[in-house]
Amino acid sequence: EPEVTQTPSHQVTQMGQEVILRCVPISNHLYFYWYRQILGQKVEFLVSFYNNEISEKSEIFDDQFSVERPDGSNFTLKIRSTKLEDSAMYFCATRGAYEQYFGPGTRLTVT
Amino acid sequence: QQPVQSPQAVILREGEDAVINCSSSKALYSVHWYRQKHGEAPVFLMILLKGGEQKGHEKISASFNEKKQQSSLYLTASQLSYSGTYFCGTYYGQNFVFGPGTRLSVLP
Repeated sequence: EPEVTQTPSHQVTQMGQEVILRCVPISNHLYFYWYRQILGQKVEFLVSFYNNEISEKSEIFDDQFSVERPDGSNFTLKIRSTKLEDSAMYFCATRGAYEQYFGPGTRLTVT
Repeated sequence: QQPVQSPQAVILREGEDAVINCSSSKALYSVHWYRQKHGEAPVFLMILLKGGEQKGHEKISASFNEKKQQSSLYLTASQLSYSGTYFCGTYYGQNFVFGPGTRLSVLP
């Protein structure tokens, strides 16, 4: 069964550093999403991406965040200057006909 | 703006039933249900579409009242593997918003 993969599984970074989180979506899916989940809280929408463009973004997705499909397959989330409050699990998801398939997540720890 | 879920938490014994509710103050065109186990990613369970169409797993049932903007997820004859946090979610535009979650614990 096709699956969404994410790398790295865990990233530790210092405050102010840039991080890039990577996702390989399911190949025939067209809609991609990034979500964030702070420990013990609900899953929060960050951004949706379709046809190589952002289709919607939440208030959380400020100028520090960006998304790209650098090579037509991978899908990346970049945080330019990390803050302590960016520590969370980041999930990539892709959408089939209706449902979203989530990757296993990247745990980002900002120290 | 986000869907509202109730109850916040449920504790069951194996074999018991549970109902988890989801509602929204904005019009719902579809309701999605996901389950997340601790330390894992959310997993799709079911989608309910306006007009009554449902797509999901055979062992899980749900209802969608479009007029009341409510959905309920029915877990019958619960098993230990049902434990986890259940989220409903819906699209507001292209923005997919999860509810706050209902934590379900099934005890032997």
